[in-house]
Amino acid sequence: TQLLEQSPQFLSIQEGENLTVYCNSSSVFSSLQWYRQEPGEGPVLLVTVVTGGEVKKLKRLTFQFGDARKDSSLHITAAQPGDTGLYLCAGEGVETSYDKVIFGPGTSLSVIP
Amino acid sequence: NAGVTQTPKFRILKIGQSMTLQCTQDMNHNYMYWYRQDPGMGLKLIYYSVGAGITDKGEVPNGYNVSRSTTEDFPLRLELAAPSQTSVYFCASSHGGQPQHFGDGTRLSIL
Repeated sequence: TQLLEQSPQFLSIQEGENLTVYCNSSSVFSSLQWYRQEPGEGPVLLVTVVTGGEVKKLKRLTFQFGDARKDSSLHITAAQPGDTGLYLCAGEGVETSYDKVIFGPGTSLSVIP
Repeated sequence: NAGVTQTPKFRILKIGQSMTLQCTQDMNHNYMYWYRQDPGMGLKLIYYSVGAGITDKGEVPNGYNVSRSTTEDFPLRLELAAPSQTSVYFCASSHGGQPQHFGDGTRLSIL
């Protein structure tokens, strides 16, 4: 069974601070996605990483896929209140014969003005 | 395009009642999914479909049923509601292997 863990579970920081959240597994994934979910809404895709060691930037957000494709990190520079939300990672497995992603439990981020 | 539309947004059921959660997408996606989200537990896959007429169980299918008679619609049926099914339900769609698009969810309480 492929599992994804995320850390920390909760994070509360002041506006302007930097932060990193992590997504880890003992399994290899063919690709990994990061989503942000705001209260009362569904998750919205931020990025997909596919290649081991890949780094993608989305404005102040930097995403990295581990070399072994078992882990990923999301770094936010100069966090803003609009970054508040639940950050979910989701891995597309190499062991399944169909397109099914496995979601981590999420990191709940609160950015205080 | 409306994307993925779920109805209703909120619902309260009594134990033993039945209901259908509706999901429709207008992106001509072949893959559709149903998830439930419980606090601190992430999203758990209930059922998914790779195309009209084809459905399969996910991680937590017990107590639920689905059908996929058209590409656009993927309803989720609860036959005998139980308190353990209190959750937020999300429908999603994708072009298989591509990122998933989610609806805004149905918040279901069973009392």
